[in-house]
Amino acid sequence: AQSVTQPDIHITVSEGASLELRCNYSYGATPYLFWYVQSPGQGLQLLLKYFSGDTLVQGIKGFEAEFKRSQSSFNLRKPSVHWSDAAEYFCAVGAGNQGGKLIFGQGTELSVKP
Amino acid sequence: KAGVTQTPRYLIKTRGQQVTLSCSPISGHRSVSWYQQTPGQGLQFLFEYFSETQRNKGNFPGRFSGRQFSNSRSEMNVSTLELGDSALYLCASSWRGGGTEAFFGQGTRLTVV
Repeated sequence: AQSVTQPDIHITVSEGASLELRCNYSYGATPYLFWYVQSPGQGLQLLLKYFSGDTLVQGIKGFEAEFKRSQSSFNLRKPSVHWSDAAEYFCAVGAGNQGGKLIFGQGTELSVKP
Repeated sequence: KAGVTQTPRYLIKTRGQQVTLSCSPISGHRSVSWYQQTPGQGLQFLFEYFSETQRNKGNFPGRFSGRQFSNSRSEMNVSTLELGDSALYLCASSWRGGGTEAFFGQGTRLTVV
């Protein structure tokens, strides 16, 4: 069965510092991978996606993620964090044979200190 | 292009009642999925509709049901509400489901008292 693990429940970084949020997935074939961000009380905003091809994908707001098949990972990175990046981040995996169903990780809450 | 619209945004219901939530997908999108988000269980998949047919179903009791109309708008219904049904219900639309981006609405916050 598919599953997604985000090992870090909460991360605090200083403004201007770099960020890496970890995501590990379990799926037999090449999955579709996503990162979403959620501000309190709001819906989910798509940051970036990986379907195939280049393993380093660029997203919105200066985020990027790298797909590593050998490690079953899809970690999210940002070189310099802004205070407005404080939010909850979710990694998700989808499979083409299951239509639009997405399996989400438990989320990582990011705090940014000045 | 308008985003995914969910109505209402907030709802308070009493145990035992039923509730209907609505989702209007992005124009041209044919797949609509529903998710329940709670602090304890996180984001859980409820079901997906594509071209008016339920294509996928999560592990929820039969009290949770949905439908999709010919214009791709979708509704979900929860009957005989329980306190544990209190959650943020999120709707996502995509062009065809698997292998395409899913865009989420703002959600409906349901509180059962």
